[in-house]
Amino acid sequence: NAGVTQTPKFRILKIGQSMTLQCTQDMNHNYMYWYRQDPGMGLKLIYYSVGAGITDKGEVPNGYNVSRSTTEDFPLRLELAAPSQTSVYFCASSQTGGAYEQYFGPGTRLTVT
Amino acid sequence: EDKVVQSPLSLVVHEGDTVTLNCSYEVTNFRSLLWYKQEKKAPTFLFMLTSSGIEKKSGRLSSILDKKELFSILNITATQTGDSAVYLCAVLDSNYQLIWGAGTKLIIKP
Repeated sequence: NAGVTQTPKFRILKIGQSMTLQCTQDMNHNYMYWYRQDPGMGLKLIYYSVGAGITDKGEVPNGYNVSRSTTEDFPLRLELAAPSQTSVYFCASSQTGGAYEQYFGPGTRLTVT
Repeated sequence: EDKVVQSPLSLVVHEGDTVTLNCSYEVTNFRSLLWYKQEKKAPTFLFMLTSSGIEKKSGRLSSILDKKELFSILNITATQTGDSAVYLCAVLDSNYQLIWGAGTKLIIKP
């Protein structure tokens, strides 16, 4: 049981490039989340999904897009990367939105220069 | 604006000491409060608290919630170097979103 997996682990982008961060969970969780964590800060929610085909914005969605075509996968797309998007990105999933804790992937460290 | 505030931001103690970490919140339509431990990578779940006054325990860690005063504490007794980490508090709101505090960085010296 792999839990939540993310790829890549590290990536360096040039300003203006685009990329997709991959997230997959094998726990059949309906809820999935993307967070970013800047140094010394808490996590900020970028986007979340309550099930396949349903996504919604979190606190800091600008510059990002998501899709949820299957229960397992929740990719995060960065368009026109900017230095302000340098951060560690965590994907998480939970069984339901309310009663259960979120399980986190190992994170992707992204640097935009 | 909803917010979660943790204190202290950092704490250095010696092995064997007892520590108390604080988390206060102002969140509309509170559902539950969660504590996580973050070492070098992803946060790992510690506790979820929904009701006031009921202590949750796991080994040397315990936590309690006060919904009247809008805070929670996380206690760690007989600390060990392996307890060194960032401890994150988060509140689940009515939209099922977690609002995170900035964390308390705990360093345990041998």
